[in-house]
Amino acid sequence: KNQVEQSPQSLIILEGKNCTLQCNYTVSPFSNLRWYKQDTGRGPVSLTIMTFSENTKSNGRYTATLDADTKQSSLHITASQLSDSASYICVVSGQAGTALIFGKGTTLSVSS
Amino acid sequence: NAGVTQTPKFQVLKTGQSMTLQCAQDMNHNSMYWYRQDPGMGLRLIYYSASEGTTDKGEVPNGYNVSRLNKREFSLRLESAAPSQTSVYFCASSHMGTGNTEAFFGQGTRLTVV
Repeated sequence: KNQVEQSPQSLIILEGKNCTLQCNYTVSPFSNLRWYKQDTGRGPVSLTIMTFSENTKSNGRYTATLDADTKQSSLHITASQLSDSASYICVVSGQAGTALIFGKGTTLSVSS
Repeated sequence: NAGVTQTPKFQVLKTGQSMTLQCAQDMNHNSMYWYRQDPGMGLRLIYYSASEGTTDKGEVPNGYNVSRLNKREFSLRLESAAPSQTSVYFCASSHMGTGNTEAFFGQGTRLTVV
């Protein structure tokens, strides 16, 4: 069964600290992996999208990595800010034209 | 720069009532989607429209109908609302399918069925 598992479920960090969120997937065949940020009461907003041939992709303070062999991805947030408090969702796409498989998300809280 | 616009933002229905959730995008995208998001679960696909004039069932289509009115608009209808349909509904669009193209989401409709 195609699944996307994220860990931890929730995380609390101090402003200015770094953190890493994990994503494991069993989707096969695999086309691409995306990370979305969802603020409370808003729709998801894309951070990165990586195909199987890409190992890393950055978007400002956000850096995503992908290991297609082990079917694992991580999202690293550097120098966290209060505005980083949100849910971060890992999404995997199979071959083009198939549905996106969403993880349940990691809720990040950044405190001052 | 509106992107994907959903209406209404909030709605309370009584069991058995009907309603239509509206979605419009201004990015000239071919594909549009309806998802629902429930606590403790990932977004689940209800219906999608790969292109104007076509619609297909997703993972959880029961109790819903859709209409791709034109390239811009994709509506979701609940004919007889049930408490199990209490959820947050998101509309999304992408240029073409779910390949390597980006998907853009609306801000959501929070629906409560009592």
